[in-house]
Order: sequence, then C-alpha cells, then structure tokens
Amino acid sequence: NAGVTQTPKFRVLKTGQSMTLLCAQDMNHEYMYWYRQDPGMGLRLIHYSVGEGTTAKGEVPDGYNVSRLKKQNFLLGLESAAPSQTSVYFCASMRSGGNSWGYTFGSGTRLTVV
Amino acid sequence: AQSVSQHNHHVILSEAASLELGCNYSYGGTVNLFWYVQYPGQHLQLLLKYFSGDPLVKGIKGFEAEFIKSKFSFNLRKPSVQWSDTAEYFCAVTRRISFQKLVFGTGTRLLVSP
Repeated sequence: NAGVTQTPKFRVLKTGQSMTLLCAQDMNHEYMYWYRQDPGMGLRLIHYSVGEGTTAKGEVPDGYNVSRLKKQNFLLGLESAAPSQTSVYFCASMRSGGNSWGYTFGSGTRLTVV
Repeated sequence: AQSVSQHNHHVILSEAASLELGCNYSYGGTVNLFWYVQYPGQHLQLLLKYFSGDPLVKGIKGFEAEFIKSKFSFNLRKPSVQWSDTAEYFCAVTRRISFQKLVFGTGTRLLVSP
C-alpha cells in the first residue's frame, strides 16, 4: 500500500515556466487536497476536491489550477511559475466515517522558482 | 472564517522537561481538532485527534491534549520530552458538519536539547 504518492519530490523552475504536480492515492479516498507550506505560515489550502470531476478553491488558489479526472489522481498545475510560488507542496486525501476519519499526507514536493 | 492560533512559534526545552503547546481556534460551532507533527524533512503525521467525548485525548508517543470548549483551546502536552521530539507541531481544526477543509495553525518549532 503506497498511500499518497507525490511526484516529483524536487523541482527547480525558471520564472514563467509551467509544470504539473501529481498526487496519487490508492486508498479509494473521496476527498483530496493540495496545501503549500511556507516558513512561519503553516499549511495553507490551495485547492481541494470532494470527488472525481469536482474541484474547489481553498485559501490561496491564485496562480494554480487543478484537475481530478480520475478518483485516485489530483493534479496541481502552475501555468506561469513565479518566485512567490517557491514552497513545499503537500497533497492529502481523506476517508470519511465516524471516528476513523482522518487525513493522509504525501511526502511533499519541494519547488523552487528562480 | 475559522482560524487557528499557535502562540508559541519556537520552544526550546531540555530533555525530561514538560511540554505544553497552546492552540486556540476561532470557530464558534462544533469542531474536530487535531495535532500533527512534522519531523525534519518528513511529511505530517497525526499525533492525536478529538471528535467528541472525553476532552482529554491521548495520542501516540506519550502526547496528550485537552479540549476546553469554553476557552476554544486544544493544548498539547507531554510530561517529559525526549531529543527525538524535536519537530514542528501543527494544530488543525475542521468543522464538525463538514470534513472538507482542515485549517492549520502556523506551527510551533520545538527543539529539545540533550
């Protein structure tokens, strides 16, 4: 069982380049999330999805797009990268149901935009 | 909008000292509360969670937290810390009626000296 897998783990982009971060989960979770983590700011929600084919904006959606074409995958896109998007990105998925509820996080993608 | 405050940004303790990290949330409705830990270079791991019932929650690695509804607080405690507890700790909240979005505090970085 892989849990939540994020690819790539590290990436360096030049300003203006585009890229897609992939999050894949094998737990049949309905909900998936993209967060960014910056020093002193905790984790902030970028976008999330409550099911296949659905997406919604979080706290800091500007500059990002997402897609959930398959239940197990949640893609985060940067169309034109900016230095302000230098961050560590975490994907999470969630199962529901009483006290077993909980998030599972991926290991993160460290992105540097130069 | 709900928010989470962690007032201690950096804490330095000696081994065997007692730990208490503060967490306050702003949402007035029924909430679910969590503490996550992030060891250096790793992803977030769940320490403990509170949904309902006994307000004193015990988690992994000897951690516990107490939910005080009247104070909107969910402080994390450990009687005797170890060097291996060096990590960043995040409090997080979600609304009971919706499990969709986990809102994180800004984190507390704990350094335990041997």
